Amino acid sequence: SQQGEEDPQALSIQEGENATMNCSYKTSINNLQWYRQNSGRGLVHLILIRSNEREKHSGRLRVTLDTSKKSSSLLITASRAADTASYFCATPYSGYSTLTFGKGTMLLVSP
Amino acid sequence: EAGVAQSPRYKIIEKRQSVAFWCNPISGHATLYWYQQILGQGPKLLIQFQNNGVVDDSQLPKDRFSAERLKGVDSTLKIQPAKLEDSAVYLCASSLERDSPLHFGNGTRLTVT
Repeated sequence: SQQGEEDPQALSIQEGENATMNCSYKTSINNLQWYRQNSGRGLVHLILIRSNEREKHSGRLRVTLDTSKKSSSLLITASRAADTASYFCATPYSGYSTLTFGKGTMLLVSP
Repeated sequence: EAGVAQSPRYKIIEKRQSVAFWCNPISGHATLYWYQQILGQGPKLLIQFQNNGVVDDSQLPKDRFSAERLKGVDSTLKIQPAKLEDSAVYLCASSLERDSPLHFGNGTRLTVT
């Protein structure tokens, strides 16, 4: 069953702009993960944030987690054409470990 | 480190035929997953192995899908017989342990005609 839902479904921006994607989930979690998928490829892990963390950074990525609202956001700063991909949030269900993925946000960054 | 290897990369079969996919996870990764990704959707878990034991196969259509992980290393996923709705990308992933980030292969794109 699907746990996370990303919003928006699609996002189109210019190089240099920031991109923000949101994820909402339904049940309590112990961590939330974000993945990127380039066309025709497998998913690549970007960042994991645990339930006791509110914010995490990795390079140009910033992830926030609000467990009271059951939501997370992924911010990509100073976007590049190479950031064009689909982005998925993933949360565990059945207590832990088995990750379920949302439908993703398709990001298009134009030069 | 070498990534997750999957083969074949593409497969086209007719409905009611059989097909098998192979996955070799990252060395030392105890947990192995098979996901199905239909075009435009996120991956859906089919089965999860911990070493060579099944942890979760609740969403595996067991009347036609089967999977095994011999000796706790590589794994095969089989569909017999295939249906049109099985057209999808089949992704294999592995992780060092449960709750660790997943490492995905590039998948097998299956087309059932």
